Amino acid sequence: KAGVTQTPRYLIKTRGQQVTLSCSPISGHRSVSWYQQTPGQGLQFLFEYFSETQRNKGNFPGRFSGRQFSNSRSEMNVSTLELGDSALYLCASSLRQGGNTEAFFGQGTRLTVV
Amino acid sequence: TQLLEQSPQFLSIQEGENLTVYCNSSSVFSSLQWYRQEPGEGPVLLVTVVTGGEVKKLKRLTFQFGDARKDSSLHITAAQPGDTGLYLCAGVREYGNKLVFGAGTILRVKS
Repeated sequence: KAGVTQTPRYLIKTRGQQVTLSCSPISGHRSVSWYQQTPGQGLQFLFEYFSETQRNKGNFPGRFSGRQFSNSRSEMNVSTLELGDSALYLCASSLRQGGNTEAFFGQGTRLTVV
Repeated sequence: TQLLEQSPQFLSIQEGENLTVYCNSSSVFSSLQWYRQEPGEGPVLLVTVVTGGEVKKLKRLTFQFGDARKDSSLHITAAQPGDTGLYLCAGVREYGNKLVFGAGTILRVKS
C-alpha cells in the first residue's frame, strides 16, 4: 500500500511569509501527527489530528496551526515565518490516536527560511 | 533537557564491531520505540517494546526495555555499513499520549 506522502519536498520562503505543508496518510489511517526536526532540538511534536479534530498539541507558538480533512489528509500552516522555523517537517500517520501505536513517517518537507 | 537522553550522540566504528546505544529517562514509559532515519528520509520504526524487561531481536539488532520501564538499549552485533543512520528512541510516558523523541545517535559504520 502507498506510504505517507508529504508535499512539497522542499520549500524556500522569506521571513514574514506564510507556508502550507500537506500530508496524505496511509489509506485507512485516521491519525496524523506533525513533527519539527532540527539539528539542535531533534524531533519536536507539533500536534496530532484524529477524525478532523486536534487531539494533542506541543509547545509551539500559535503561528503553527493545522487541520485535518474528512479524508484524513492534513495540512499544517506556519504564518509570519522566522529564520528559526527552518527545519525538516515530518508527518506521521497511525491507525489509532495517541503515541502507543505504530507511526509511519513521510519523507518530510525541508523548509528553508531566508 | 531532553525527557529521553540518548548516548552516545555520535558513533563511528569499523564494519564487524559491536555497539550499544542507550536511551535513559527518569520517567516511566508505557512503551518505547526505536526508529532509524537515513538522510533525506523520515524515521522508520524498528521495534516497539512495552513490557519491563522485554527483549526483542531483529536479525543483528537486540532491543531491551528496562525492568522499571525508564530506559532502553539497542545492541547491534557485527555492524554493517548498511546500519549507518540516525537511531532515535521515542516513548509515551505513563498516563501520557504523546510520542516524545530522544535527540538521536548518529551511527557511521566504515567498511
